[in-house]
Amino acid sequence: AQSVSQHNHHVILSEAASLELGCNYSYGGTVNLFWYVQYPGQHLQLLLKYFSGDPLVKGIKGFEAEFIKSKFSFNLRKPSVQWSDTAEYFCAVGVAGGGNKLTFGTGTQLKVEL
Amino acid sequence: NAGVTQTPKFQVLKTGQSMTLQCAQDMNHNSMYWYRQDPGMGLRLIYYSASEGTTDKGEVPNGYNVSRLNKREFSLRLESAAPSQTSVYFCASSEPSGRYGYTFGSGTRLTVV
Repeated sequence: AQSVSQHNHHVILSEAASLELGCNYSYGGTVNLFWYVQYPGQHLQLLLKYFSGDPLVKGIKGFEAEFIKSKFSFNLRKPSVQWSDTAEYFCAVGVAGGGNKLTFGTGTQLKVEL
Repeated sequence: NAGVTQTPKFQVLKTGQSMTLQCAQDMNHNSMYWYRQDPGMGLRLIYYSASEGTTDKGEVPNGYNVSRLNKREFSLRLESAAPSQTSVYFCASSEPSGRYGYTFGSGTRLTVV
């Protein structure tokens, strides 16, 4: 079974700082990759996804992620964070053709300070 | 608005009580899922239903049962609630390929005392 690791559990940044959140997965086959965001008290919302093609994908709100197959990584980036980006971020991996089940990482809590 | 609707939003149960969490989607998705979210553990799959009429266990199915009532509805039942089932429960749905991710409901916060 695949697993997903998010090494940064808590991140605190000042507004305008750059963000990179790490995500590594363990599975040797073809995967679909996702980043979700959960704002306080809300449900998870899709930020961006990758399933084929250009390994650099762009999502909503200025976020992007790069799939590096050789490193089994799918790191999330944003050049300049805003206070409103304060949320919990989850990386998720699905095995292509594997019944659509997603395995989620444990999440990274991001706090952006003014 | 199209989406996934969960009821109730909050629930407090006593140990040993039973309850059913309801989930309905109007996205015309074939696949539906139940996850639980616990601090520091992310989301863990309880049960899923790849299509109407089928259900399968996920990572943490013990203490739960599910029913895929029709294409729209997928319920989660706790037969005898335990404090370890205190959690936030999310229902989600997806189209068959899984390439477009899940649409999540707003969650049910369950406390078992």
